[in-house]
Amino acid sequence: NAGVMQNPRHLVRRRGQEARLRCSPVKGHSHVYWYRQLPEEGLKFMVYLQKENIIDESGMPKERFSAEFPKEGPSILRIQQVVRGDSAAYFCASSENRGLDEQYFGPGTRLTVT
Amino acid sequence: KNQVEQSPQSLIILEGKNCTLQCNYTVSPFSNLRWYKQDTGRGPVSLTIMTFSENTKSNGRYTATLDADTKQSSLHITASQLSDSASYICVVSDPNDYKLSFGAGTTVTVRA
Repeated sequence: NAGVMQNPRHLVRRRGQEARLRCSPVKGHSHVYWYRQLPEEGLKFMVYLQKENIIDESGMPKERFSAEFPKEGPSILRIQQVVRGDSAAYFCASSENRGLDEQYFGPGTRLTVT
Repeated sequence: KNQVEQSPQSLIILEGKNCTLQCNYTVSPFSNLRWYKQDTGRGPVSLTIMTFSENTKSNGRYTATLDADTKQSSLHITASQLSDSASYICVVSDPNDYKLSFGAGTTVTVRA
């Protein structure tokens, strides 16, 4: 009974490179949420996806960031041309349904931009 | 702008002692309030979930209270253990429920 899996756990990128963060939700969950946690700050909502659809991306920067959740395979958060300010922990959560359903969090990916 | 503020920022307690963490929020409208525990290097794990009509919810040695009128919540940890050392995060959701507003957390350190 695997929980939410994220990989890689740690990712180091130089400025200008691309970062790809993967999230495999709990088996049977079709709702995925991405959050970003800057040092000393709380988690901030980025995007909510349901299989093959972006439901709400209001928390995601319009430039350089994109997310997908294909029919098959993990959800991907992609950051193009990374900058130092992108350094943060990125958490993925999943739920079985929308609404009051519990969101289960993965262990996070810690991105460091040098 | 929705805000969730927690206090204290950090605290140190001796093993076996009790402590209480505070959360004030301005999220409106409000659907439910959750407390999460986040161990270092891990994702948050849910401790309690309360709707606006609930005043208290317990999970083992963790007891959460909610006053929806004053928009305040507290998390009480009884007979602390070393494994309670973690960050405790107050999270409030709007009626859409998927958009969670997170506090910055209170870092609890339990010492033997």
